[in-house]
Amino acid sequence: EIVLTQSPGTLSLSPGERATLSCRASHYVTGSYMTWYQQRPGEAPRLLIYGASIRATGIPDRFSGSGSGTDFTLTISRLEPEDFAVYFCQQYGDSPRTFGQGTKVEIK
Amino acid sequence: QVRLQESGPGLMKPSETLSLTCVVSGDFVTTGYSWGWIRQPPGKGLEWIGNIYHGGSTFYNPSLQSRVTISIDTSNKRFSLNLNSLTAADTAIYYCARGVGSGRYFDFWGRGSLVTVSS
Repeated sequence: EIVLTQSPGTLSLSPGERATLSCRASHYVTGSYMTWYQQRPGEAPRLLIYGASIRATGIPDRFSGSGSGTDFTLTISRLEPEDFAVYFCQQYGDSPRTFGQGTKVEIK
Repeated sequence: QVRLQESGPGLMKPSETLSLTCVVSGDFVTTGYSWGWIRQPPGKGLEWIGNIYHGGSTFYNPSLQSRVTISIDTSNKRFSLNLNSLTAADTAIYYCARGVGSGRYFDFWGRGSLVTVSS
C-alpha cells in the first residue's frame, strides 16, 4: 500500500501568513489522485481539494493544491482564524485508499 | 447537502463484535457515490475501512477484510458497519462518509463515534 508522510507535523504561523504543507508518497500516485481535508476540533473532516489541485465546492481560493507523482503540496495563501486546524492528505490512485498522519496548523 | 450521523456503543470488550450505524439525511440514491467507513485511533492518522454501493457491492481494506461487514438499508437511508473479534487496537473514532465513486475520496463526513475496546 502507499504510505503518505506529511510534514511538518505542526506548523506555527500567524493569521495572514502563508502556509505550505507537504505530503510525500512512498510510491507514485497514479493520475495525481490526491485529496486534502481539513479537520477542526470536534468537527467532521471537510473536503478541500481533490485531483491534487481541484477545489471542492465552496472552498475559498486561498486554498490551493499542487504536485504529482510522489510529492504534493497544500498551500493556504493567507491564513484566516478559521484555518487553524489539522490537515490530512489521502491518495486514491491505488487501493487501499490511504491517509497521511496529518499536519496541525496552529496559531503562533 | 448531505448529512451523516453515526451511532453505536461507546465501550466494547475484547473479542466482541462492534455494530455501528450511519443515518443519512439528504440525497441517498444518486449514482456515482458509495457509502464508507473510516477510523482514527487516538493520536494517529486515518484508516479507510470499506465502502458499499447503493446496490450492495462492497469494497474493503485488505487489512480488515476478514473481520468487516458493511451493509446498507436503502429504505431507511442508513448503512452499517460490523467489526468482529475486537482488540484494543480497534479503539478509535469511527467516521461514516459519502464516497465519490468507489470511495475514491469522501465529500461528506459524519462527526464520528468514539469506540473504546477495553476489558
